[in-house]
Order: sequence, then structure tokens, then C-alpha cells
Amino acid sequence: NAGVTQTPKFQVLKTGQSMTLQCAQDMNHNSMYWYRQDPGMGLRLIYYSASEGTTDKGEVPNGYNVSRLNKREFSLRLESAAPSQTSVYFCASSELGSVKNIQYFGAGTRLSVL
Amino acid sequence: EDKVVQSPLSLVVHEGDTVTLNCSYEVTNFRSLLWYKQEKKAPTFLFMLTSSGIEKKSGRLSSILDKKELFSILNITATQTGDSAIYLCAENLGADGLTFGKGTHLIIQP
Repeated sequence: NAGVTQTPKFQVLKTGQSMTLQCAQDMNHNSMYWYRQDPGMGLRLIYYSASEGTTDKGEVPNGYNVSRLNKREFSLRLESAAPSQTSVYFCASSELGSVKNIQYFGAGTRLSVL
Repeated sequence: EDKVVQSPLSLVVHEGDTVTLNCSYEVTNFRSLLWYKQEKKAPTFLFMLTSSGIEKKSGRLSSILDKKELFSILNITATQTGDSAIYLCAENLGADGLTFGKGTHLIIQP
């Protein structure tokens, strides 16, 4: 029962370094999402992919890029990491419906940018 | 301006107490509202509420939505230390995903 799998779980970067966060789901969901969570800020949407082949910006997309590699995988890339990107990143997936949009989350990636 | 507002932001109670968590939302082609529980890692789904107003229950947890007043409450009765968590409320925006409130940090003291 893997659900949504994120890698890595932890990462420390220096300012200016790049990295890619990986996310895969095995629930055959069409839609996938990337969020960041900061203390006192709740979950904020970075990018999402409503279906394979499409991606759209969320609330806080600056400094990030995404790739929907196939139906299962959705990656998030930081091209030049900044201390402001220190956060916990969550990937989620859902079977999008008009009323139902129950999203299932991965365990998160804790990222520190020094 | 936040679209989903939760209150209180933090709450400390004793084991056995009953708590009520609040969530207000905006109507922009309302579809549904979701509650999640977040312990140390990923948020886990609790309830989905629609404009039907039907109360949802699961053990000691229950939730209802008031579509006229645009809010939802999450009740937890006979609280236990295992209920300590952040409770998140989110409005379903359809293809644009979910928009979350800041969460209520609930601490249950033995």
C-alpha cells in the first residue's frame, strides 16, 4: 500500500544549488500537486498537474519548475535554491471530480537551504 | 486575503474534554470542503462535506457544514492524547486543487 511516495525525505542545500524532488503515486490518479508548508502558513500550492501532459501554477510558483513525467510521476525542481525555500514539501494526488477532490499526501521532504 | 480561515489557531485542553474547531470559507462555485489531520508527517483525510449539509461521523469525530453561514465545524468528544495534531480545513476548487486554512494546532494534555 505505497500510495504517494516522495524522495528524498531530507535534504540540505547551499544557496544556488539545484535539486529535484521526486514524487510517484500508484493509485492511478489523474491529478498531482506540490505544496510547501511553513510554520503558521498552512499548506500553499506551488504547482499542479490536473492530468498527464498539463501543468499549472499555484499560489507560490516562483523559483520552481515541475515536470509531469507520466501519469505516475510528478517532479519539482529548484534551479537555484534560496534560503526562502527552506520548507517542508508535500506531494499529493487525487482522482479529480467536481465534488470529490480528496487528495492523498506523501510523507514530505524537509529541505534546508543554507 | 485568506479564503479559508480556521479558528482557533491553537488550543490546549485536557484529556476527556470536548473540542470544536472552526473553519469559514468563501463561496466561489462551492464544491466541497475537506478536513485533514496532520500529526508528524503527511496530512491524512478525515471528512469531505458537501452543500447537502449531511453530518459526517467517525467514532468520536464529527463534522458538519452550514452552507448558509459558510462555515464548518469539527467536533472531537472525549479527547485523547492521540488526538493531538494539526487539523487542516480545505476548500475544493475543482481543477485548481485545494486551498487550505492555516490549521488549528490541538494539544491534548493528560
